[in-house]
Amino acid sequence: NAGVTQTPKFRVLKTGQSMTLLCAQDMNHEYMYWYRQDPGMGLRLIHYSVGEGTTAKGEVPDGYNVSRLKKQNFLLGLESAAPSQTSVYFCASSYGLAGYNEQFFGPGTRLTVL
Amino acid sequence: AQSVTQLDSHVSVSEGTPVLLRCNYSSSYSPSLFWYVQHPNKGLQLLLKYTSAATLVKGINGFEAEFKKSETSFHLTKPSAHMSDAAEYFCVVSDGGDYKLSFGAGTTVTVRA
Repeated sequence: NAGVTQTPKFRVLKTGQSMTLLCAQDMNHEYMYWYRQDPGMGLRLIHYSVGEGTTAKGEVPDGYNVSRLKKQNFLLGLESAAPSQTSVYFCASSYGLAGYNEQFFGPGTRLTVL
Repeated sequence: AQSVTQLDSHVSVSEGTPVLLRCNYSSSYSPSLFWYVQHPNKGLQLLLKYTSAATLVKGINGFEAEFKKSETSFHLTKPSAHMSDAAEYFCVVSDGGDYKLSFGAGTTVTVRA
């Protein structure tokens, strides 16, 4: 039982390049989330999904897109990376609504945009 | 609207002494409150949660927190710190069980031998 896994662990991009971060969970959770963590700011929600085939915007969605084609996977895309997107990205999943239920987090992806 | 303030950005304690991490929240509804811990280069892990049941909540690894509505606080405590408690701790609030959580800025705990 691997829990929540994220690929890759580290990445360096140049401004304007694109990339996709992959999140996978093996707990059969309906809800999945993408957060970014910046120093002194806690975590901020980028996008979330309440089930296969559904996605919704969170607090800071600009510059990101997501897809949930399979229940176990949640992809985060950056179409044209900017230095302001340098951050640590965390994926999480939960059985029910985050407000009542424990979220399980992946180990994070550290992204640097030059 | 919901928000959370962690009153200390850094706390340093000696091993074996008590730990107190302070959190104040703002919520328009009956809130759910959480404490998560993040060890270096790891994802966050749930320590404990309050969802309108008992006001004193016990979590993992000897941590507990008390929900005080009159003071809008949810402080985290542990009677005796261990070296393995060195980590960053996040207080989190949610209004009415929504998908949206508000995270505090975090408190870094250092444990001195």
